[in-house]
Amino acid sequence: GNSVTQMEGPVTLSEEAFLTINCTYTATGYPSLFWYVQYPGEGLQLLLKATKADDKGSNKGFEATYRKETTSFHLEKGSVQVSDSAVYFCASGKSTFGDGTTLTVKP
Amino acid sequence: EAGVAQSPRYKIIEKRQSVAFWCNPISGHATLYWYQQILGQGPKLLIQFQNNGVVDDSQLPKDRFSAERLKGVDSTLKIQPAKLEDSAVYLCASSRTIDEAFFGQGTRLTVV
Repeated sequence: GNSVTQMEGPVTLSEEAFLTINCTYTATGYPSLFWYVQYPGEGLQLLLKATKADDKGSNKGFEATYRKETTSFHLEKGSVQVSDSAVYFCASGKSTFGDGTTLTVKP
Repeated sequence: EAGVAQSPRYKIIEKRQSVAFWCNPISGHATLYWYQQILGQGPKLLIQFQNNGVVDDSQLPKDRFSAERLKGVDSTLKIQPAKLEDSAVYLCASSRTIDEAFFGQGTRLTVV
């Protein structure tokens, strides 16, 4: 069946550091891929998406590229801020989510 | 635009009791999803509706869980009888297109 594997956390970075959260997927066909973010005390919200191979999703300085050859959708940000502290979920389609990666950014 | 509304926000019940959750999706969103999120895990899709028809309920434990979406708008998810392992956050989401789902705040269920 379909599955999503995320880099295990928690991840702790200093402000302005470079962020990578790895995500790989297995799926039949070519599903849309998503990154969701959950800030403390809030619900899940869409961060970015990519609907086909080689698409790059981007939002709020975050980027992820749909790589069919490596079945990956890694999340990156060049310079994180304290306000980026949250739990990040990678998802394949609407039915398959990773277990989340907790990011803490320290000033 | 109002978001996805869920109630109650919190619920504590004893095992073997029944419980129901309610969801009001964003206006105009034909697709509605219920997810179960156990602490430390990602959301697990329980059921997907398109209007008032079920598209996918393959992961719904049908011996104790049921869901309905009357008139293609609001939806309720019921658990009867509850077990300790049902303790989780139950998330409702809705979407207009295949690309994006909007999530509610969820209902945190504790079964004691």
